[in-house]
Amino acid sequence: QVQLKETGPGLVQPTQTLSITCTVSGFSLTSYYMQWVRQTPGKGLEWMGFIRSGGSTEYNSEFKSRLSISRDTSKNQVFLKMNSLITEDTGVYYCARDGHNNAFDYWGQGVMVTVSS
Amino acid sequence: DIQMTQSPASLSASLGETVTIECLASEDVSSNLAWYQQKPGKSPQLLIYDASSLQDGVPSRFSGSESGTQYSLEINSLQSEDAATYFCQQHHDYPYTFGAGTKLELK
Repeated sequence: QVQLKETGPGLVQPTQTLSITCTVSGFSLTSYYMQWVRQTPGKGLEWMGFIRSGGSTEYNSEFKSRLSISRDTSKNQVFLKMNSLITEDTGVYYCARDGHNNAFDYWGQGVMVTVSS
Repeated sequence: DIQMTQSPASLSASLGETVTIECLASEDVSSNLAWYQQKPGKSPQLLIYDASSLQDGVPSRFSGSESGTQYSLEINSLQSEDAATYFCQQHHDYPYTFGAGTKLELK
């Protein structure tokens, strides 16, 4: 069955870089777009960006200058890296499969990230 | 960016009742509208996509409709497990944007 699972640090210091891995099973990354969404106390649900089945990416301009999404299809993994973190980046980060024209049919359980010194 | 104005912010209803949640898009999203359900501590779950298409496995008491830039989620015959927060999302144009959510409580 389709499964997604995010792994990453629970605590990141301000100005540092956040790295999260999304490991998937039950489908191929070369067949689906993979999305990243975060949920913060200040802004709620925010779309961050995606990587297409072909490997190209699209980012929300809100994050574009500090966000990078990549993947390793041999390991069934998608990666999110975001630098220059601030306290407002505290929240839950989700990867999700794009199953229907940019509607997200499967989500990971999310990883809580706290930005604090 | 397309703004999604969701209403009401919260509502309380009884078992068996019918409720409607609405989302107003600030511009045309061409029916590219999804609805999600989120329970505390859980990730969002897709209910409806393309305004009215029911996601596989979602009970038929959930339905979506549209009128211009106004989109609605209707839940018929409320069940206890429907207590959750509901979000709309436009999947028409970058950046994809979400509504602020509607918290549904069961009396």
